[in-house]
Amino acid sequence: GQNIDQPTEMTATEGAIVQINCTYQTSGFNGLFWYQQHAGEAPTFLSYNVLDGLEEKGRFSSFLSRSKGYSYLLLKELQMKDSASYLCAVGRDDKIIFGKGTRLHILP
Amino acid sequence: GAGVSQSPSNKVTEKGKDVELRCDPISGHTALYWYRQSLGQGLEFLIYFQGNSAPDKSGLPSDRFSAERTGGSVSTLTIQRTQQEDSAVYLCASSPASGNYGYTFGSGTRLTVV
Repeated sequence: GQNIDQPTEMTATEGAIVQINCTYQTSGFNGLFWYQQHAGEAPTFLSYNVLDGLEEKGRFSSFLSRSKGYSYLLLKELQMKDSASYLCAVGRDDKIIFGKGTRLHILP
Repeated sequence: GAGVSQSPSNKVTEKGKDVELRCDPISGHTALYWYRQSLGQGLEFLIYFQGNSAPDKSGLPSDRFSAERTGGSVSTLTIQRTQQEDSAVYLCASSPASGNYGYTFGSGTRLTVV
């Protein structure tokens, strides 16, 4: 089985930095994903970590610690368009298993 | 096609009726996945296909749910005797092969059972 836990909601201010944490327990781990999903739209891929450490991609960074079953997504220089749900997900066997997502609200 | 196409985009049906949801994956993608997203929830895995076979049906919630894929392309998810708890957005994704996590999602079908 698998458990993927992340906060339900977070609020941050435009221009600030926010970190969304995710913990997981799963067998057959094949990497950790972050997806962004705007309301009413399909999820879009943000990042994939299979080894420990930090992966940076523009304003977004993702970190993985496999020994701790822990990941975070770091968003810098927040913009209003970053208001969305952020889904932590785990690759397992031949599919991706998703957490319930963190709804991020950005205040002006 | 250029992307994953799902139809219909919206479906309202009466409780007890059967519905069929269609997914047309990216041309050449051999793996196809169905997920369900209820209001405020994450994506719940239902079933995936590699070619025309379904190695993993573990997420189908009941025997009212079934899916098939023919010709290694289009897939249909069928829900029989729909219930109100079936109301959700049904998302389809495809990838070049099973175990390849390069998913492309369709825009989904919003199913409302009244």
